[in-house]
Amino acid sequence: AQTVTQSQPEMSVQEAETVTLSCTYDTSENNYYLFWYKQPPSRQMILVIRQEAYKQQNATENRFSVNFQKAAKSFSLKISDSQLGDTAMYFCAFMIPEGAQKLVFGQGTRLTINP
Amino acid sequence: GAGVSQSPSNKVTEKGKDVELRCDPISGHTALYWYRQSLGQGLEFLIYFQGNSAPDKSGLPSDRFSAERTGGSVSTLTIQRTQQEDSAVYLCASSLVTFAGARPLHFGNGTRLTVT
Repeated sequence: AQTVTQSQPEMSVQEAETVTLSCTYDTSENNYYLFWYKQPPSRQMILVIRQEAYKQQNATENRFSVNFQKAAKSFSLKISDSQLGDTAMYFCAFMIPEGAQKLVFGQGTRLTINP
Repeated sequence: GAGVSQSPSNKVTEKGKDVELRCDPISGHTALYWYRQSLGQGLEFLIYFQGNSAPDKSGLPSDRFSAERTGGSVSTLTIQRTQQEDSAVYLCASSLVTFAGARPLHFGNGTRLTVT
């Protein structure tokens, strides 16, 4: 079974700073996807970024980038030039692209951006 | 167009009562998921519907939980004889099914269930 671990329950940084959220996972599969989702107070899960395991290049989306270390089974999210609107819960998730494509989530990191 | 819609937004019920939670997926999305988010936890998979295929119920925690999807569209998650540990946010997501790669999931805003 796959597991996803986020070891930082809470983080807090000042606006405009860079912050890195950690995520590790465990799997014996070779073909999989990793995701970071953002959950603001509205409760809606919003996809921030995704990484395909067979791609060595780290994914980037504007201010968001990942550091994907496949051998170490690590998938951290870096938020550059943080903004007040980045305040939310962030979840790391794992998925095997077969069948139901169920997402396996970590416990989440509550990120607060302070003005 | 409209996103995934869930109702009610919040539900408070007494222990032992039955509750029904509703999900309206995005029109045309054949895949529908229910996830549960307990306090301080990540989401856990409950059930998956895809078209007319038999649902994947492997995540349902007990036989008090059931779900159906009528006409390949609206889905209802039913919890019978609710217990306090059922208190959580129940999130629905829908997706188009593609034949390669990861499907982009569209989540609703969830139903917060509180069992007193």
